[in-house]
Amino acid sequence: DADVTQTPRNRITKTGKRIMLECSQTKGHDRMYWYRQDPGLGLRLIYYSFDVKDINKGEISDGYSVSRQAQAKFSLSLESAIPNQTALYFCATSLGDVSYNEQFFGPGTRLTVL
Amino acid sequence: GQNIDQPTEMTATEGAIVQINCTYQTSGFNGLFWYQQHAGEAPTFLSYNVLDGLEEKGRFSSFLSRSKGYSYLLLKELQMKDSASYLCAVSGAGSYQLTFGKGTKLSVIP
Repeated sequence: DADVTQTPRNRITKTGKRIMLECSQTKGHDRMYWYRQDPGLGLRLIYYSFDVKDINKGEISDGYSVSRQAQAKFSLSLESAIPNQTALYFCATSLGDVSYNEQFFGPGTRLTVL
Repeated sequence: GQNIDQPTEMTATEGAIVQINCTYQTSGFNGLFWYQQHAGEAPTFLSYNVLDGLEEKGRFSSFLSRSKGYSYLLLKELQMKDSASYLCAVSGAGSYQLTFGKGTKLSVIP
């Protein structure tokens, strides 16, 4: 059983469209994260959330927004998609223990913006 | 800020041993993680070091020297399925975030 799930797994869209990527987890973790991964650039943090009322920008938040609807759900939106947002997107979760911050990743969403 | 360096690519032979290095510069340190990522798949946890020394887990070992800002991942008895990217990630002091290196793509050849 998958502990961290992402929908959709693949999405092709056009420039200017609004897109939402969804993440759900059954691990009971408080912390949730959105990353994008590009060839040669590694994983880069977009947004993260410590609980339902907490949202924080990461390294590359421009052009993205997030919503933490519940402890188990964290959504990423692209308000007006552009081609350079084509990437592999990962959601991750972690416990609220700052002394040990292992993150658990979802299977990823491959997004293509034409 | 944090800076993490690791080689981009490595090639090794099936059955051999390979060492993947990671150097880091961070504002505070609260642990270093190694993840394995097969192409197009999610990263999966391999190891964690917070104190200096070697942590061994089966065919995989990870070493940390905090004074040198250096870690390595050692893979023994390489198998074809070990062909993957290996990501070094550092947790800063008092931080819930991980900063990832760009990853080392390991190719295991017969």
